[in-house]
Amino acid sequence: AQRVTQPEKLLSVFKGAPVELKCNYSYSGSPELFWYVQYSRQRLQLLLRHISRESIKGFTADLNKGETSFHLKKPFAQEEDSAMYYCALKGGNKFYFGSGTKLNVKP
Amino acid sequence: EAEVAQSPRYKITEKSQAVAFWCDPISGHATLYWYRQILGQGPELLVQFQDESVVDDSQLPKDRFSAERLKGVDSTLKIQPAELGDSAMYLCASSPPGQHRIDFGPGTRLLVL
Repeated sequence: AQRVTQPEKLLSVFKGAPVELKCNYSYSGSPELFWYVQYSRQRLQLLLRHISRESIKGFTADLNKGETSFHLKKPFAQEEDSAMYYCALKGGNKFYFGSGTKLNVKP
Repeated sequence: EAEVAQSPRYKITEKSQAVAFWCDPISGHATLYWYRQILGQGPELLVQFQDESVVDDSQLPKDRFSAERLKGVDSTLKIQPAELGDSAMYLCASSPPGQHRIDFGPGTRLLVL
């Protein structure tokens, strides 16, 4: 069955520290993986897709098929990165979401 | 930039009452989704449309929930009768052809008393 797991509900780091938000998935085929972000009082929005291999706002994510992971990383966290982050998997024509990790970047 | 619109943004109702939510997807997006998000959890798919057709409603509690997208554009999600456990955020979303991303609306927060 399709599943997206984000093991950390809350991650607190200091400004300038590295950040890694974990995401593991289970899917029998070849999934597409995404990270979505929700800033305070804003709607869920796409942060990045593994297919694009892009870096958005300093964040990157690498798909590791062997470990079935898609961890989100940023070398130096900023206070404006504080938000809810959701990992998502597209399997077939459906999107599945993890339960989210709240990132709190302290000054 | 075009966005998914939803109304109302907030709804308070009493149990056993009927409620309805409306969604207007981004123009040209054939795929429309309704998700439910309970506090502390991620969005869970209730129903997915391709144009006016339902392609997945396996998680929709059909005894009380209904959804329609009659002209393949905007959509309505209805709950009748509402129960206390229906209190949640209801998110509408749409995808462009190819579904290389999913765009969310602001959501309707429902509180059932």
